Amino acid sequence: DAKTTQPTSMDCAEGRAANLPCNHSTISGNEYVYWYRQIHSQGPQYIIHGLKNNETNEMASLIITEDRKSSTLILPHATLRDTAVYYCIVRVHSGGSNYKLTFGKGTLLTVNP
Amino acid sequence: DAGVIQSPRHEVTEMGQEVTLRCKPISGHNSLFWYRQTMMRGLELLIYFNNNVPIDDSGMPEDRFSAKMPNASFSTLKIQPSEPRDSAVYFCASNLIRHTEAFFGQGTRLTVV
Repeated sequence: DAKTTQPTSMDCAEGRAANLPCNHSTISGNEYVYWYRQIHSQGPQYIIHGLKNNETNEMASLIITEDRKSSTLILPHATLRDTAVYYCIVRVHSGGSNYKLTFGKGTLLTVNP
Repeated sequence: DAGVIQSPRHEVTEMGQEVTLRCKPISGHNSLFWYRQTMMRGLELLIYFNNNVPIDDSGMPEDRFSAKMPNASFSTLKIQPSEPRDSAVYFCASNLIRHTEAFFGQGTRLTVV
């Protein structure tokens, strides 16, 4: 299984862009990069995913390097409500079409006023 | 849809007692996951089901833990007998097989005294 490495914590000023890095140097060609976040006392929430192209949705943008060994999640205008633990996950396969999400320690993003 | 529903939200029990956690996945979803979260170990995948069939239970810590999914709309996680080290937040999640986004419930906070 490909492993991910993320900084333990980051700070960001409210209204500024938050850029959260993730290293996944052992990722396989058919593995996707997923991002989830967990706000205190809540269940994890899906943010975005990608394979090799950059992706954008209403929550965030995902930039994946050409060699796919790392990626960056971008929250363009961080708000106080974006304070959460952000998990970068590489989707693994365990036979056929089955898959599972394995969470690491994640990055605690604190958005400051 | 009300999302993934877990019950109870909080459970306090004495060591040695049986504990049953319940989960109702989102209607139409055919994949269900049970996770456990502690400060020390983070989010751990315990077991997951596809079409009510257990696919991977390698994360179940020991024989005291068991999970069932008798139908597509209900799953249980049972601990018998419970121990203080089982104290954690237990999350249930569901999605459509091969789809990207897993939806998590609000969790059950279990305290074993």
